[in-house]
Amino acid sequence: ELKVEQNPLFLSMQEGKNYTIYCNYSTTSDRLYWYRQDPGKSLESLFVLLSNGAVKQEGRLMASLDTKARLSTLHITAAVHDLSATYFCAVVVGTPLVFGKGTRLSVIA
Amino acid sequence: KAGVTQTPRYLIKTRGQQVTLSCSPISGHRSVSWYQQTPGQGLQFLFEYFSETQRNKGNFPGRFSGRQFSNSRSEMNVSTLELGDSALYLCASSLAAGARSEQYFGPGTRLTVT
Repeated sequence: ELKVEQNPLFLSMQEGKNYTIYCNYSTTSDRLYWYRQDPGKSLESLFVLLSNGAVKQEGRLMASLDTKARLSTLHITAAVHDLSATYFCAVVVGTPLVFGKGTRLSVIA
Repeated sequence: KAGVTQTPRYLIKTRGQQVTLSCSPISGHRSVSWYQQTPGQGLQFLFEYFSETQRNKGNFPGRFSGRQFSNSRSEMNVSTLELGDSALYLCASSLAAGARSEQYFGPGTRLTVT
């Protein structure tokens, strides 16, 4: 059974600081998604990582995938308050998507 | 292009009742998946439909059922509601079957069982 572990589960960051969220998974997969969820809202797709070594960047967020280590990272650069949300990674092994528990990020002044 | 729509957005039901939730996928998408989100269990897969056929089902009791119509719209039904069924129910649509096809999520239906 595929297990997806995210850490940390809770993260309080100061504005302007950098931090990384980790997503480890237990079974070989070559496709991983990162989503953002605001309180009471749905999931917004951030990144689709399709192969080993894939790196994607959007604004202050950068995601990478190491399929050999079964690890994906979501790096936050110079955090701003607008990034406060819960971030989920989701791994593809056949069907369906298997989600991590999520990382609740709070960016404070 | 219109996104995934779900109705109703909010629902309050009593234990023992049944409920039907609806999901309209993005135009052209033929696959619809349903997920349950709770604070304790996180996001859990319920089922996936493609071309009116259920392709996969998650580990949920038989009280949870679904169907898909020829226009790709999907409904899920929960019978004999329990307090633990209170959750955010999300549907996601994709062009093709399976999670390798990127899924786009709807706004969700917030179900509260009292």
